[in-house]
Amino acid sequence: LAKTTQPISMDSYEGQEVNITCSHNNIATNDYITWYQQFPSQGPRFIIQGYKTKVTNEVASLFIPADRKSSTLSLPRVSLSDTAVYYCLVGDLYNQGGKLIFGQGTELSVKP
Amino acid sequence: EAGVAQSPRYKIIEKRQSVAFWCNPISGHATLYWYQQILGQGPKLLIQFQNNGVVDDSQLPKDRFSAERLKGVDSTLKIQPAKLEDSAVYLCASSLGQGNSPLHFGNGTRLTVT
Repeated sequence: LAKTTQPISMDSYEGQEVNITCSHNNIATNDYITWYQQFPSQGPRFIIQGYKTKVTNEVASLFIPADRKSSTLSLPRVSLSDTAVYYCLVGDLYNQGGKLIFGQGTELSVKP
Repeated sequence: EAGVAQSPRYKIIEKRQSVAFWCNPISGHATLYWYQQILGQGPKLLIQFQNNGVVDDSQLPKDRFSAERLKGVDSTLKIQPAKLEDSAVYLCASSLGQGNSPLHFGNGTRLTVT
């Protein structure tokens, strides 16, 4: 199982772009990279998922280099409501939903 | 679509008592997961079901924890007897279980063991 490493915490200000990088050096060929967001007293919420290159949705962008040993979640123009913990997961989702292992996550604090 | 429903929202018990949590996944989702989240940590997978069969329960403390998913829909997670270190949030998640379908989480049950 691919292990992930993320910064424990990050600080930002409203309106800035935030980039959170996740390292997954032993990612397997069939593994996808998925990011979740978790607010206090709530379950994690799916943000974005990718396999290689770049993926963009209405919430974020995900950049994955060619070697796939890392990935970067990009949050454009963050607001106070983006204060949360962000988890990077790597797993084989085709294998009956995969065995998705959460790391400690990155606690993002957005200040006014 | 309705989300993953969990109950109760909070539960306080004394050590050595038993407790049960209930989860109703999103309709049509074949895969169901139970995670334990201790304060300040990421969720830890306890058990994964595919329909009503267990796919992975390697992290489930089977001497005190049990889970079932009858008829491949609702699921219950039970702890008997509870220990102080079981204090955590218990999260249920479900997914279609096909391709790269993401997990959808409920808001969890916060368990306090005194």
